[in-house]
Amino acid sequence: NAGVTQTPKFQVLKTGQSMTLQCAQDMNHNSMYWYRQDPGMGLRLIYYSASEGTTDKGEVPNGYNVSRLNKREFSLRLESAAPSQTSVYFCASSRGADNIQYFGAGTRLSVL
Amino acid sequence: EDQVTQSPEALRLQEGESSSLNCSYTVSGLRGLFWYRQDPGKGPEFLFTLYSAGEEKEKERLKATLTKKESFLHITAPKPEDSATYLCAVQAEETSGSRLTFGEGTQLTVNP
Repeated sequence: NAGVTQTPKFQVLKTGQSMTLQCAQDMNHNSMYWYRQDPGMGLRLIYYSASEGTTDKGEVPNGYNVSRLNKREFSLRLESAAPSQTSVYFCASSRGADNIQYFGAGTRLSVL
Repeated sequence: EDQVTQSPEALRLQEGESSSLNCSYTVSGLRGLFWYRQDPGKGPEFLFTLYSAGEEKEKERLKATLTKKESFLHITAPKPEDSATYLCAVQAEETSGSRLTFGEGTQLTVNP
């Protein structure tokens, strides 16, 4: 039972570099989410996709873009990484019916 | 704006010493309140959903309760394996796409 799979698990970038975080779920869920988690800040929503073909901004979308590639996959792109984007990034998915979100193991990103 | 405040930030217990974690929330109509457990280096894991004041749910040594302004996570006779960060989140009635607002969490340590 894979659930929600995130790649990579760890990444170090230099300021100004770009990268894409990948997320895939095998639970046939409609909704997918990207969060960042910082000490003392809790989990903050970056972007979400309520269903295939739609994406919406969350609480902290600046500096990020997303793509809902298909029902399974939802990617997060940093076009020009900044040290303030150093964080742990979590992807989650939910059916929508019971609103329970299931999380991946996270990507630990450092921007130097 | 939806707000979730968890207290205490950290709690140390001896094995067998029961206690409670608090989650105070402000939301424009509650659709659901969620409790998650997060182990170090992992993504949050779903524990409970509560929908209306007076509702209670139990799982092993954990019991979650809900009032109109707060939720408690009661831990009875905890064991070292209960050590984790416990996260509370709310979903507002007007929220689209199952969006959740998370608190910062309570870090629980249970000493043997």
